[in-house]
Amino acid sequence: EVQLVETGGGLIQPGGSLRLSCVASGVTVSSSYMTWVRQAPGKGLEWVSFIYTGGTTYYGDSVEGRFTISRDNSKNTLYLQMNSLRAEDTAVYYCATTSVWPQRGAFDIWGQGTMVTVSS
Amino acid sequence: DIQMTQSPSSVSASVGDRVTITCRASQGINSWLTWYQQKPGKAPKVLIYAASNLESGVPSRFSGSASGTDFTLTITSLQPEDFATYYCQQASTFPLTFGGGTKVEIK
Repeated sequence: EVQLVETGGGLIQPGGSLRLSCVASGVTVSSSYMTWVRQAPGKGLEWVSFIYTGGTTYYGDSVEGRFTISRDNSKNTLYLQMNSLRAEDTAVYYCATTSVWPQRGAFDIWGQGTMVTVSS
Repeated sequence: DIQMTQSPSSVSASVGDRVTITCRASQGINSWLTWYQQKPGKAPKVLIYAASNLESGVPSRFSGSASGTDFTLTITSLQPEDFATYYCQQASTFPLTFGGGTKVEIK
């Protein structure tokens, strides 16, 4: 069964750092196109970051310079390092993947999400 | 950045109704447009990819079409399980962007 499981969320003070993990099973992180998407409480979906199979990365404007996407192929795990956190970063963070990019352009496998709350 | 303007933001409909949701891109995105369905507390699910391709396992009452920078999701006969929020997403250019969402509610 293909599955993504996010962990690492929690309550963090403004200015703090947090690292989210997304452990994959049934799919190989190194050969998949992977992304992070977030959703603030009661709000819509916001794309956060993307990593190509070759390692090239992209970021949304609101997180550029503060967040870093990476992966550990030996652990088949995707990460999101989040620094200088702000209240507006409060959201459920999903990891998602597709094996075909950009021809499908659609993320067909998603995790269950992990909640990040930035508050003092 | 490419803006995706989705309308309406909400729609009230009855079972059996035809529902149409539109997404307009601020510039050309070819056919790199995905439609997702999201239910409360759940992750999004792909309905349509590349503007008009039905995802495997998705009922045929869902369809997608494109005309220039305008994209449409149509549900031909709304079923009880279709009450949810729908999002479009462009995959043409980074940063990727989502539409604001359309909540389909029971009338």
